[in-house]
Amino acid sequence: ILNVEQSPQSLHVQEGDSTNFTCSFPSSNFYALHWYRWETAKSPEALFVMTLNGDEKKKGRISATLNTKEGYSYLYIKGSQPEDSATYLCAFGHNFNKFYFGSGTKLNVKP
Amino acid sequence: DVKVTQSSRYLVKRTGEKVFLECVQDMDHENMFWYRQDPGLGLRLIYFSYDVKMKEKGDIPEGYSVSREKKERFSLILESASTNQTSMYLCASRFPGTVTGELFFGEGSRLTVL
Repeated sequence: ILNVEQSPQSLHVQEGDSTNFTCSFPSSNFYALHWYRWETAKSPEALFVMTLNGDEKKKGRISATLNTKEGYSYLYIKGSQPEDSATYLCAFGHNFNKFYFGSGTKLNVKP
Repeated sequence: DVKVTQSSRYLVKRTGEKVFLECVQDMDHENMFWYRQDPGLGLRLIYFSYDVKMKEKGDIPEGYSVSREKKERFSLILESASTNQTSMYLCASRFPGTVTGELFFGEGSRLTVL
């Protein structure tokens, strides 16, 4: 089992704060890196799929970067809103069938 | 609207019972997956299937089996449920033909084994 680590485990911020999380993964045999948002009582939904070293993706106030050589990805949220409260999961793709997940970062945004 | 549907959101079973968790997807995906999620741990892969009647063990297959008789349906079977199988189970599907393909998840089935 490959080790994928996410930090921090949880985060409490005020509305309007910007925040970022880290996902660390093995730097060899890279296939893809996924970020998912998982809201309570819902299914995890993909935010980004990143495949190339140096990739930067953006969706509204959320963005992500990828460094496959050193094995990390950052997720940034600018101006957090209460609706951003969720658990954010990263998944390291070892091949097209094997995805190893971190334990997630639980974000709570207070109004 | 693409969908992965898991048959039961909440189940309570007794030790030794046989448990079926059903998952159906409407996206014609070849790949389907069963994960379990426990507090403090990432999603861990139990089994996956890359085609009808084809399956491979994931990282924690012990105590589980699977069935894929039709492309859209992937079932997880606990032959004799034990308390350490109390967990959240997530089904997912994916189109394997592109490296950028994401996983599509169901809403999860929370199983409690007493």
